[in-house]
Amino acid sequence: DGGITQSPKYLFRKEGQNVTLSCEQNLNHDAMYWYRQDPGQGLRLIYYSQIVNDFQKGDIAEGYSVSREKKESFPLTVTSAQKNPTAFYLCASTRTGVRNEQFFGPGTRLTVL
Amino acid sequence: AQSVTQLDSQVPVFEEAPVELRCNYSSSVSVYLFWYVQYPNQGLQLLLKYLSGSTLVKGINGFEAEFNKSQTSFHLRKPSVHISDTAEYFCAVSDGDSNYQLIWGAGTKLIIKP
Repeated sequence: DGGITQSPKYLFRKEGQNVTLSCEQNLNHDAMYWYRQDPGQGLRLIYYSQIVNDFQKGDIAEGYSVSREKKESFPLTVTSAQKNPTAFYLCASTRTGVRNEQFFGPGTRLTVL
Repeated sequence: AQSVTQLDSQVPVFEEAPVELRCNYSSSVSVYLFWYVQYPNQGLQLLLKYLSGSTLVKGINGFEAEFNKSQTSFHLRKPSVHISDTAEYFCAVSDGDSNYQLIWGAGTKLIIKP
């Protein structure tokens, strides 16, 4: 079955540590997205990529970094510069085009101890 | 720039009662509209979408939505809710200027009372 996988489901990090969240899709989608979700704030876009080796900052990119070396993979690194990283992180993908919905992974819940 | 407003952060409703979750968007140019559902600690799942054609769109789990261009609205409805409908619902809009991004509403939590 095609879909999006995110790992791990739960992640705990000490303050000052970088951590990388995995996102893989086998839908042959061109575009991939990372969102952050906090209670009562909906989805906020961190980074997105429309093609391999290219990505753009979203609304809240500070303290995060991404790479897009393969079409299937779009890992997100939460760096120590991110002031409040505890949140639920969602990865999504879509075929390029304004009429196309985004497909979501199951999410990773990151907690900073 | 496009924006999406979900007027209610929470909607409590009794089981088997009808429900309407409201969504308004800001621009009346060509838009594509989506409703997603998120169950606790899970990703989002597409409920339904409006691309063109009939303004009444039917989705999964008995939900439907009506596109109203003059009111710039896309309200979600279900005639009889079940306890399993407890979730958060998000409205999203795509248009020609959004660079393939979806513009998201803040979400509405549907709370089903037994």
